[in-house]
Amino acid sequence: DIQMTQSPSSLSASVGDSVTITCRASQSVASNLHWHQQKPGKAPRLLIYTVSSLQTGVPSRFSGSGFGTDFTLTITSLQPEDFATYYCQQTDSSPFNFGPGTTVDIK
Amino acid sequence: LQMQESGPGVVKPSETLSLTCSVSGDSISGSLYFWGWIRQSPGRGLEWIGRLSQTGITDIHPALRSRATLSMDTSKNQFFLHLSSVTAADTAVYYCARLVGKLPDQWGQGTLVTVSS
Repeated sequence: DIQMTQSPSSLSASVGDSVTITCRASQSVASNLHWHQQKPGKAPRLLIYTVSSLQTGVPSRFSGSGFGTDFTLTITSLQPEDFATYYCQQTDSSPFNFGPGTTVDIK
Repeated sequence: LQMQESGPGVVKPSETLSLTCSVSGDSISGSLYFWGWIRQSPGRGLEWIGRLSQTGITDIHPALRSRATLSMDTSKNQFFLHLSSVTAADTAVYYCARLVGKLPDQWGQGTLVTVSS
């Protein structure tokens, strides 16, 4: 199985800050890496697919990059609605594991 | 698109967990999408369970393959998860999802299933 790790596990930031979350795969997943956002008590929501493509309706302050084993999610100019937990997921090989999540909370 | 999970909130150990996902706003029979299940628990995080298509393609997490069955009823626009021989480790919030290939792009709201005697 491909194991996914994320760092940091949590971070505190202020509205207007920029933050970067890292996701690492235990072996190459090529570009088959995606990001989901989850708010407390809600289902996850697909945010970015195939490394850097924004899902419909996702603001351009979200961006993704990477290839192979190392990926990043960047949020520029954090907004109040961005405080949430972010999960990476690989769909390169089954089982299509998720990372453990990174919680972004308000400083 | 709306998807709603339903099923018992409590299942006894060793019994079978059965969940239904009712879909509105899209036809699962005419769709090019896959339909699947994902669960989430504090101990295991988000765990991809499996997916199926209306053409009969199924793909189940290797660790669950011996216990999980996915099926659908296109006449009711519903799909199902059956997980046999459950233990406390199967306690989780279960989400149904629409998938573009292997990737969930729309999620149901989730339903909590507790395994307890």
